[in-house]
Amino acid sequence: DIQMTQSPSSISVSLGDRFTITCRASQDIGNYLSWYQQKPEKSPKLMIYRATNLEDGVPSRFSGSRSGSDYSLTINSLESEDTGIYFCLQHKQYPRTFGGGTKLELK
Amino acid sequence: EIQLQESGPGLVKPSQSLSLTCSVTGYTITSGYDWSWIRKFPGNKMEWMGYINCSDSTNYNPSLKSRISITRDTSKNQFFLQLNSVTTEDTATYYCASYGYGGYYWGQGVMVTVSS
Repeated sequence: DIQMTQSPSSISVSLGDRFTITCRASQDIGNYLSWYQQKPEKSPKLMIYRATNLEDGVPSRFSGSRSGSDYSLTINSLESEDTGIYFCLQHKQYPRTFGGGTKLELK
Repeated sequence: EIQLQESGPGLVKPSQSLSLTCSVTGYTITSGYDWSWIRKFPGNKMEWMGYINCSDSTNYNPSLKSRISITRDTSKNQFFLQLNSVTTEDTATYYCASYGYGGYYWGQGVMVTVSS
């Protein structure tokens, strides 16, 4: 199985700050990676697909990038509604595998 | 807009079978996409369990292969999860999800507790 190593596992950030989450893939996954946001008692929401593409309706302060086997989700100018858990998912191979999640809180 | 809704019992006894239904609206499950089950354990670890696709083919996570079955009822536009011989380690929130071009779209989830 492809291992997805996500960091950090949790972080406290101030409003207006820039923040980056990274997932490292243990094998080549091309750009077959998506990012999700999950709020308490809600289902995960697709934010970025195919590593760099913003899902319709997602604010432009969110962006995705890739450097080698590292895939990153960046939030520019954090807003209060951005708190929650973020995780990555590789869909290059079966079984699909997930990053361990990042809990984003406000300072 | 595709919408998915899980349903099923919230409590299952150890050694019994877990059965869940995913009802899909806004799209016909035979038209395309893969239709998956994913679960989230306490502590936030996620596990992809398997899918049934629009052609009725299935693919399961090898970690579950001997216990899992995913089927569908096209007349009701539903697909189903059955997980046999459950233990307390199967306690999780279960989601159904659709996979298209680049990512997954999820139902609301149903929490299932395995306990005697």
